[in-house]
Amino acid sequence: DIQMTQSPSSLSASVGDRVTITCRASQTIANFLNWYQHKPGKAPKLLIYDASNLQSGVPSRFSGSGSGTDFTLTITSLQPDDFATYYCQHSYSTPLSFGGGTKVEIK
Amino acid sequence: QMQLVQSGAEVKKPGSSVKVSCKTSGGTFSNYGFNWVRLAPGQGLQWMGGVIPILGKTSLAQKFQGRVTITADESTNTVHMDLNGLRSEDTAVYYCARSGGFYYYMDVWGTGTTVTVSS
Repeated sequence: DIQMTQSPSSLSASVGDRVTITCRASQTIANFLNWYQHKPGKAPKLLIYDASNLQSGVPSRFSGSGSGTDFTLTITSLQPDDFATYYCQHSYSTPLSFGGGTKVEIK
Repeated sequence: QMQLVQSGAEVKKPGSSVKVSCKTSGGTFSNYGFNWVRLAPGQGLQWMGGVIPILGKTSLAQKFQGRVTITADESTNTVHMDLNGLRSEDTAVYYCARSGGFYYYMDVWGTGTTVTVSS
């Protein structure tokens, strides 16, 4: 089974900051890597699919990069609506799995 | 745009079973796969398994094999997830999520169903 490791597990940032979250797969997954945003009481929301493709309707301040085992989610200018938990997820093979999550909090 | 509406919250006793439903509307049911993902208190998202209705195929995470059954009813465009042998650790919010198949991203998510297991 493929394990997904995210870092950091949490971070504090201010509005306007650039935020970077990393995700590492335990084996190569090509570009089968997706990013989600989750807020309490709401359903998770797909942000980025296949490592670098922005889902329709997602602001362009979100971007994804990487391939193989190492991936990055970047928020170029953090907005108040972006305070949430972010998860990476591989779709390379079953069982699918998620990273442990990164909670982005207000500094 | 397809919408996924899940069944209501459940409170169950340890050892019992629960069935969570996910009714789809606004899209072609047979074009997609559907997954079940849960979020337990203090933990991260966990993929439980999925189904591809047009192929009649299911896939389950090993942790849930023997305890979870996922079915799809094409007559009602609804996906069901049965979890038996409930224990307190199964207390979680359960989500269904649409994907293109087993090896795709999940682009549409259900409303979530809270299952509480307590004696």
